[in-house]
Amino acid sequence: EPEVTQTPSHQVTQMGQEVILRCVPISNHLYFYWYRQILGQKVEFLVSFYNNEISEKSEIFDDQFSVERPDGSNFTLKIRSTKLEDSAMYFCASSEQPPHKGEGEQYFGPGTRLTVT
Amino acid sequence: ELKVEQNPLFLSMQEGKNYTIYCNYSTTSDRLYWYRQDPGKSLESLFVLLSNGAVKQEGRLMASLDTKARLSTLHITAAVHDLSATYFCAVKSGGNYGQNFVFGPGTRLSVLP
Repeated sequence: EPEVTQTPSHQVTQMGQEVILRCVPISNHLYFYWYRQILGQKVEFLVSFYNNEISEKSEIFDDQFSVERPDGSNFTLKIRSTKLEDSAMYFCASSEQPPHKGEGEQYFGPGTRLTVT
Repeated sequence: ELKVEQNPLFLSMQEGKNYTIYCNYSTTSDRLYWYRQDPGKSLESLFVLLSNGAVKQEGRLMASLDTKARLSTLHITAAVHDLSATYFCAVKSGGNYGQNFVFGPGTRLSVLP
């Protein structure tokens, strides 16, 4: 069964460093998303992406964040200068349909645990 | 601003019992999602509810949506230990490209033998 994959599973970085989190969405999906979940807390939407551009972003997704689809398979989230409060689990998701059409069901990857020290 | 609440936040129940988790949201939305998350794991999609009065069932779980009351319920029938997990509802706000998803705080369910 197709699934969303994410690498690395755990990333430790020092405050101020840049990190890139990678995701491979399901191959026929066209809509991509990043979420984060601070340990034990609720899930927060960061950004959605379609047709090589951002469709929607939350107030969390400030200038320190960027997303890219550098090739036909990967979808990346870059944090330019990490802060302690960026420590969280980051989930990538993809969907075949946009959220406003059909069920727009999202399939989530296993997550990358980012620890900023 | 769209706000999503769930109650209860913690639920401990005996196997074989029935219970309902409630999800309230503050502004108009046309679809609501339920997810399950096992400890340390990712999110698994359970249901997508698209319209007022929508009801979906999978095994011991049944979800419904009342858009007029801005309320969704997740009903658990004859709970079993395998259902122990955290359950999140999420609501999509905005129009066609308002893909901003707002999640509830989650309900941590523990089913005791």
